Amino acid sequence: EVQLVESGGGLVQPGGSLRLSCAASGFTFSSYWMSWVRQAPGKGLEWVANIKQDGSVKNYVDSVKGRFTISRDNSEKSLYLQMNSLRAEDTALYYCARSNAFDIWGQGTMVTVSS
Amino acid sequence: DIQMTQSPSSLSASLGDRVTITCRASQGISNYLAWFQQKPGKAPKSLIYAASSLQNGVPSKFSGSGSGTDFTLTITSLQPEDFATYYCQQYYGSPLTFGGGTRVEIK
Repeated sequence: EVQLVESGGGLVQPGGSLRLSCAASGFTFSSYWMSWVRQAPGKGLEWVANIKQDGSVKNYVDSVKGRFTISRDNSEKSLYLQMNSLRAEDTALYYCARSNAFDIWGQGTMVTVSS
Repeated sequence: DIQMTQSPSSLSASLGDRVTITCRASQGISNYLAWFQQKPGKAPKSLIYAASSLQNGVPSKFSGSGSGTDFTLTITSLQPEDFATYYCQQYYGSPLTFGGGTRVEIK
C-alpha cells in the first residue's frame, strides 16, 4: 500500500525545536520530490518546503526560511523537517506529501507552540 | 509570490446541483494548477492536476479547465460525499501557493 506516515509532533515552547519525520512505503521514494504542507487550526493549506529527489534542491516559504530545514534519507525512505526557533504562528497540522502531483498525503502530525 | 484567489469562499448547494468554483492566479501559470478536496479531520485529496487532468480513481463528475490566470473546477450532480472544502494550488513557481479554499455546504 502506498502511504506516508508522519511523526514527531507535539507541544513545544516558543523558541524551541522539533524534528518531524515522514516514513514512506509502497512506492519508489527516491524518484519523487517531497513536500511539507501545514494547516493551522481552522485555516487553509500552506506549503512549507520541498526537496528534490537527491536532496540537491530545497525550497522554502519565506516565513520559515532560516528556521526550518527539510532533508531526506532515501535509504530509509524518510523525509524530515527540522524546525528551530518555533513561534506561535507555526502551530499547525503538518502533512508530508508526494510532490509535485501531491497525490499522496500522510495523515498529519500536530505541532503546538505555546508556553 | 503568486497569489491564488478562489471564489466564492463558500457556497450552499442542493443534492444533484452543478457547482463551479473559480481560481485566479496573480500572474500566468500556464496549466500548472491542481485542485484538492478536503473533508473535516482528513488529509487533502488530489482531484485534478495540470488544470484539467483527472487523478486516478477520481470520478468524472469532477472536471477542471483553464489556462494562464483563470481556472475553474466544476462538480456535477452533487452527492453527500462531495460536501467538503476545495482548494486550488499553483505549482508553476516557488513558493507553491494555495487558494484560500471554497467550502461547499448543503443547502
